[in-house]
Amino acid sequence: NAGVTQTPKFQVLKTGQSMTLQCAQDMNHEYMSWYRQDPGMGLRLIHYSVGAGITDQGEVPNGYNVSRSTTEDFPLRLLSAAPSQTSVYFCASSLRGRNTGELFFGEGSRLTVL
Amino acid sequence: GESVGLHLPTLSVQEGDNSIINCAYSNSASDYFIWYKQESGKGPQFIIDIRSNMDKRQGQRVTVLLNKTVKHLSLQIAATQPGDSAVYFCAETLSGNTPLVFGKGTRLSVIA
Repeated sequence: NAGVTQTPKFQVLKTGQSMTLQCAQDMNHEYMSWYRQDPGMGLRLIHYSVGAGITDQGEVPNGYNVSRSTTEDFPLRLLSAAPSQTSVYFCASSLRGRNTGELFFGEGSRLTVL
Repeated sequence: GESVGLHLPTLSVQEGDNSIINCAYSNSASDYFIWYKQESGKGPQFIIDIRSNMDKRQGQRVTVLLNKTVKHLSLQIAATQPGDSAVYFCAETLSGNTPLVFGKGTRLSVIA
């Protein structure tokens, strides 16, 4: 049971480049989300999804797109990377519908934008 | 995650002592709270949760206390061990159906 898998673990981009952070979970979780983690800022929610075909914005959605075509996958897209997007990104999932908010996190993707 | 905790409050505790990590949550309507532990270079991991109809909940070596009057949450770790060294986050949500909102975290450093 792999849990939540994020790829890549490390990435360096130049300003203006685009990329996709991949997230996959094999626990049949309905809910998936993306957080970014910056020094002194804790974890801030970027986008989330309560099920396939449904996405919504979190606290800091600007500059990021998401889609949820399957239950398992929830990719995060940066269309035109900016240095302000240098951060550690975490994907997380949970089994909504059972009245639990427990999130299962991936290992993180460290992104540097030059 | 080496740079994540640069500006975090830090609690230093002697091995074997008890640790108390505090958290002030923001939304008085929140009714579900979770503590997470994040070790260096890893994602956060669930420790313990508590609902607003409870004041206290105990797990293995950990206890969470909730004071709704002052919107305060605490995590107590008994007999702290070196493996407890990590950053600890509290998180809150409303009825488990709204996204979790995380606090900024506290770094626990265990002195052997």
